Amino acid sequence: GNSVTQMEGPVTLSEEAFLTINCTYTATGYPSLFWYVQYPGEGLQLLLKATKADDKGSNKGFEATYRKETTSFHLEKGSVQVSDSAVYFCALIQGYQKVTFGTGTKLQVIP
Amino acid sequence: KAGVTQTPRYLIKTRGQQVTLSCSPISGHRSVSWYQQTPGQGLQFLFEYFSETQRNKGNFPGRFSGRQFSNSRSEMNVSTLELGDSALYLCASSLASGSYNEQFFGPGTRLTVL
Repeated sequence: GNSVTQMEGPVTLSEEAFLTINCTYTATGYPSLFWYVQYPGEGLQLLLKATKADDKGSNKGFEATYRKETTSFHLEKGSVQVSDSAVYFCALIQGYQKVTFGTGTKLQVIP
Repeated sequence: KAGVTQTPRYLIKTRGQQVTLSCSPISGHRSVSWYQQTPGQGLQFLFEYFSETQRNKGNFPGRFSGRQFSNSRSEMNVSTLELGDSALYLCASSLASGSYNEQFFGPGTRLTVL
């Protein structure tokens, strides 16, 4: 079946540092890939998405590129802020199957 | 456009009781999915409803059930509550099922079982 593997957290960075959160997936065919963010006490919010190979999703300074050759969808941001502290989830949807989420990576940004 | 709403936001029950949680999707959305989120297990898929039909189901016991109404509102029910059912229950809606339909999440219902 489908699966998503994210890097273990928590990730602690200083403000303005570069962020990478790794995400790799296992799926047959061509899934759509997503990054969601969950702030404390809230539900998940869609951060960005990509629906086909080589697509780059971007939003609020975050980017991720759908790499089919490496089955990856790593999340990056050039300069993180304290307000980016949250839990980040990588996810995939394939066809009419259920959404598959990674385990989440907690990011803590310190001033 | 109003987002996904979930009621109640917080709930405290005792073991053996049953509970019903409600989810109102974004207007026009016909697919509703439910998830259980716990620190130990992360996000686990419960079920998805589309046009009042259950389309997908996760690996949860039969104590967990759901339904969807003609206006796309959905409810999930948990009977004979156990301590391990304490979790954040998230509802997500999308226009339809399938790869190209991103999900929009509600704030969740925090269930505590004592």
